[in-house]
Amino acid sequence: QQQVKQSPQSLIVQKGGISIINCAYENTAFDYFPWYQQFPGKGPALLIAIRPDVSEKKEGRFTISFNKSAKQFSLHIMDSQPGDSATYFCAASKGMIKAAGNKLTFGGGTRVLVKP
Amino acid sequence: DTAVSQTPKYLVTQMGNDKSIKCEQNLGHDTMYWYKQDSKKFLKIMFSYNNKELIINETVPNRFSPKSPDKAHLNLHINSLELGDSAVYFCASSQGVNNQPQHFGDGTRLSIL
Repeated sequence: QQQVKQSPQSLIVQKGGISIINCAYENTAFDYFPWYQQFPGKGPALLIAIRPDVSEKKEGRFTISFNKSAKQFSLHIMDSQPGDSATYFCAASKGMIKAAGNKLTFGGGTRVLVKP
Repeated sequence: DTAVSQTPKYLVTQMGNDKSIKCEQNLGHDTMYWYKQDSKKFLKIMFSYNNKELIINETVPNRFSPKSPDKAHLNLHINSLELGDSAVYFCASSQGVNNQPQHFGDGTRLSIL
């Protein structure tokens, strides 16, 4: 049972374009939704995160949109650059429940290729 | 000055062997994790330790045994390695467990022959 579903699996975008990755979750107890960026041969690195009390969060060219009623959230990469080419993972956790132990449940990942 | 470091980076071994992966973090964090990333890049948590106490054990075969000698170290020992254990294993750390950002190491690629 995949609790966090991510789409698309891969994405090709031209330099300067917008990359959009979508995630849907099932467990309404999730209260923290981070996005991680992973380059080949490296570990995932936190990119941006959102809590369900806000509908949008922006950091530079990266924006998370959150729809609590639809149980969906998405990452928008504006003005995509070749250096953004990486695999992106959405995730969710029930962080305010100590027994959950900050466990991250990841989506399946999206490989983004930005063409120059 | 790597924040979360894992050794070795690559591990190639025969089926049935026992091997260990070590992880150290210099961030002063009190919580550490092991994740497994399979060939399709799917990431799944295996274990988590908070202040040396095991708090997450995600239905992992008991051939896998984590050990946390102190808050800065979390090692993973695997007995009787199987072909299905081939994956990239990531160590991560965070300060606390309340939705704190997790910092990942660069992984250990384990290949079973």
